[in-house]
Amino acid sequence: GQNIDQPTEMTATEGAIVQINCTYQTSGFNGLFWYQQHAGEAPTFLSYNVLDGLEEKGRFSSFLSRSKGYSYLLLKELQMKDSASYLCAVREGDYKLSFGAGTTVTVRA
Amino acid sequence: IAGITQAPTSQILAAGRRMTLRCTQDMRHNAMYWYRQDLGLGLRLIHYSNTAGTTGKGEVPDGYSVSRANTDDFPLTLASAVPSQTSVYFCASSDDTGGADTQYFGPGTRLTVL
Repeated sequence: GQNIDQPTEMTATEGAIVQINCTYQTSGFNGLFWYQQHAGEAPTFLSYNVLDGLEEKGRFSSFLSRSKGYSYLLLKELQMKDSASYLCAVREGDYKLSFGAGTTVTVRA
Repeated sequence: IAGITQAPTSQILAAGRRMTLRCTQDMRHNAMYWYRQDLGLGLRLIHYSNTAGTTGKGEVPDGYSVSRANTDDFPLTLASAVPSQTSVYFCASSDDTGGADTQYFGPGTRLTVL
């Protein structure tokens, strides 16, 4: 099994930057995923990291350090529509994912 | 159909009743998954199938069964529902090829067991 930790809630102002941290413990790391989930909707894929470093995709970036068991998701130029839960998920060995409990981000005007 | 569909959207069920949640995908993905999502616990894997004809147990399989007769369909059955199975259930699928093997999720089924 895996232990995946991320903060429960974060609040930020429109136009600002927010960083959501995720730490994990695993014996057979095979990739880390970030998903976005709006209230009452299904999770949707945001990013994937398997090697150390930063992956940038528009306003969203994701970083991975395998030696530290650490990742973060960076949301820049926050918009009201970014208010959602952000789920960190780790793949260990085969193709199954283990999810963290999620971080609810609230963007204020 | 485009993507993954689930039925029903929501259901209220009496304890002890049998219930099957349906999931269908049209992306010809090999792998399919069932999760439950509970407040504060995140998504937890119930059962999965890497390919048609095979299934496996996830983190919380007790009280649930699945079958995978073909590539497209992956029904989840609660043989005798209990109140602790009140949850939102998501079906997902992926190409099961490793790498950036993204899982695509259905819209979910909100199940209440009384």
